[in-house]
Amino acid sequence: DAGVIQSPRHEVTEMGQEVTLRCKPISGHDYLFWYRQTMMRGLELLIYFNNNVPIDDSGMPEDRFSAKMPNASFSTLKIQPSEPRDSAVYFCASSPIDPTAYYEQYFGPGTRLTVT
Amino acid sequence: GQQLNQSPQSMFIQEGEDVSMNCTSSSIFNTWLWYKQEPGEGPVLLIALYKAGELTSNGRLTAQFGITRKDSFLNISASIPSDVGIYFCAGDGETSGSRLTFGEGTQLTVNP
Repeated sequence: DAGVIQSPRHEVTEMGQEVTLRCKPISGHDYLFWYRQTMMRGLELLIYFNNNVPIDDSGMPEDRFSAKMPNASFSTLKIQPSEPRDSAVYFCASSPIDPTAYYEQYFGPGTRLTVT
Repeated sequence: GQQLNQSPQSMFIQEGEDVSMNCTSSSIFNTWLWYKQEPGEGPVLLIALYKAGELTSNGRLTAQFGITRKDSFLNISASIPSDVGIYFCAGDGETSGSRLTFGEGTQLTVNP
C-alpha cells in the first residue's frame, strides 16, 4: 500500500517567493496533519484537518502560512512570502477514523525547505 | 501546554546490547506512541499503547504504558546497526483533542 506522499522532497527558494508543499494522504484516512521539524523546536503541529475541514490551525506561525484540503486525497501548505526562518522539514501525516487507531499518525517522507 | 520529557537525549551502545529509553509527563496521557526517524525520512510508527499498564511488543521492541498514565518506556533488545535513528515518544493528553505532543527524541547510535 502507498504511504503518505509528499512533493517536492526538496525545495530551495529565495526569500519573498511563494512556496507550495503538497501532500496525498493514505487512502481512507480522514485526518491530515501538517508538521514542521527543526533542530531548535523539534516537531511542531501546524494545522490538522478532519474530513477536509480545518479543525485546529493554532500552530500556524503567522498569516504567511495557509493550508487547504480541497478533497480527501490532496492537501497543500503554502508560504507566501517565504522567509529564511521558514527553512525546515515539513511533514504531512494522516490517520484513520477508526477510534481504536485514531492517534496512529503515519508520516510522509517530508519536504526539506531551504529559503535563502 | 503539555510537555513530554524524553531521556536520555542520546545513547551510544555496542551491537547486541539492550536499550531502554523513557518518556514522562507532568499530566495524564490517554495514549502513548513510539516512533523512529531515520535521516532524511519521516517518523515511522513503532508501537501504540492505549491502556495504563499495557505492555506491547513489536519484534525486538517492547513498550509499556505506565500505570500512573504519566510515563512510558521503550526497550530494544539485542540491538543491531539498523536500529540507529532518533526515537520519539508521543502522547495524547486529556486536553489535547486530536493533537499529539512529541518528545524531543533519543538519538541512538549502535557501534558494530
